[in-house]
Amino acid sequence: DAGITQSPRHKVTETGTPVTLRCHQTENHRYMYWYRQDPGHGLRLIHYSYGVKDTDKGEVSDGYSVSRSKTEDFLLTLESATSSQTSVYFCAIGGGDATNEKLFFGSGTQLSVL
Amino acid sequence: ILNVEQSPQSLHVQEGDSTNFTCSFPSSNFYALHWYRWETAKSPEALFVMTLNGDEKKKGRISATLNTKEGYSYLYIKGSQPEDSATYLCAFRGSGTYKYIFGTGTRLKVLA
Repeated sequence: DAGITQSPRHKVTETGTPVTLRCHQTENHRYMYWYRQDPGHGLRLIHYSYGVKDTDKGEVSDGYSVSRSKTEDFLLTLESATSSQTSVYFCAIGGGDATNEKLFFGSGTQLSVL
Repeated sequence: ILNVEQSPQSLHVQEGDSTNFTCSFPSSNFYALHWYRWETAKSPEALFVMTLNGDEKKKGRISATLNTKEGYSYLYIKGSQPEDSATYLCAFRGSGTYKYIFGTGTRLKVLA
């Protein structure tokens, strides 16, 4: 299994509070991704990173920010959580320049915003 | 906004039946198409990475084909087994980007 750890695994928070989710990898992979999973929507890309300090927006980036200060960690921050951000968040690594590069996913973080 | 569509949304088949799903994606600026298998309470796992028009990949009873010119890929399962029950996702990547855009998935239930 690819060395990807997401923390926390579960989080309950209140509307308006900041929340940070962490994705940690031990594969030294350049590319990292944050997705959210919602019923009827599959996986939607929030943000991704193509290197340290290099990030870009995905399909549903509003209300989220990311940071990547070192290769192994990719942080997703909800500046002021809303109930619409209740979801399961998955981190992935992989893809990139090699055409046969597949994505490997973490175990997910269940976030509930009350 | 990229449109990656999968059909059907869900289906139930009997054990032993063969089945197939479709993934439709933009036919221009193609780079790669992935298929993933996602079991309940687990994380998605890659089945195939497809990059060339006409590609055919096979893994056991599961196979996939790719038509980049018309923008579709088929996933086939031969002789479905209960353990094949999962959601099958496709993910499209266009050229010049590192974004992987997923379809909403096909949920398969194989009845014993």
